[in-house]
Amino acid sequence: GAVVSQHPSRVICKSGTSVKIECRSLDFQATTMFWYRQFPKKSLMLMATSNEGSKATYEQGVEKDKFLINHASLTLSTLTVTSAHPEDSSFYICSARDTLTQETQYFGPGTRLLVL
Amino acid sequence: KNQVEQSPQSLIILEGKNCTLQCNYTVSPFSNLRWYKQDTGRGPVSLTIMTFSENTKSNGRYTATLDADTKQSSLHITASQLSDSASYICVVPPGGSQGNLIFGKGTKLSVKP
Repeated sequence: GAVVSQHPSRVICKSGTSVKIECRSLDFQATTMFWYRQFPKKSLMLMATSNEGSKATYEQGVEKDKFLINHASLTLSTLTVTSAHPEDSSFYICSARDTLTQETQYFGPGTRLLVL
Repeated sequence: KNQVEQSPQSLIILEGKNCTLQCNYTVSPFSNLRWYKQDTGRGPVSLTIMTFSENTKSNGRYTATLDADTKQSSLHITASQLSDSASYICVVPPGGSQGNLIFGKGTKLSVKP
């Protein structure tokens, strides 16, 4: 089946620093990728839709200047949490849609971010 | 309003027993419904995808049913194993769109020895 990877799997950083999370589709091309955030015992919340070669579309309430998204290739999207604060600590999950089949979204394993 | 509701919120069963999880949705128009398994600290993994015309679909010990008339789905797990302990999430994309999935809050299943 389709595989989506995320790196790093977990990261601890100091408040005020920036953290970059990578999302890769390993065996398929993904024109569209999605970034979610999940707090403990809560549902996944869509943050933004990442489109290859164009600007990301952010959900209401998500600061685009704080959560920078770059989708420079058909297999890679990155999410950069800028000037991270403790309240940004969460589980970040990406998903990718197979461009060829337009099949369901395949989710990555997630990245646990802890901001001290 | 597009919503997906799941019950129970949590469930504890003994290893080897069967269980059924419920999902009710009010998403319209409807195209498909998906069940995902999410282990703690991991991303969701797809179990089944059911379209409007499908009533039941199996994936190993997992069997999903769909009643498009009553807008209900269930996920039945047979002969549960310890590794089945996870959150099971019901997801419906509105209008068949692949983005902006509507997520249920999930059912947290704990299988005890």
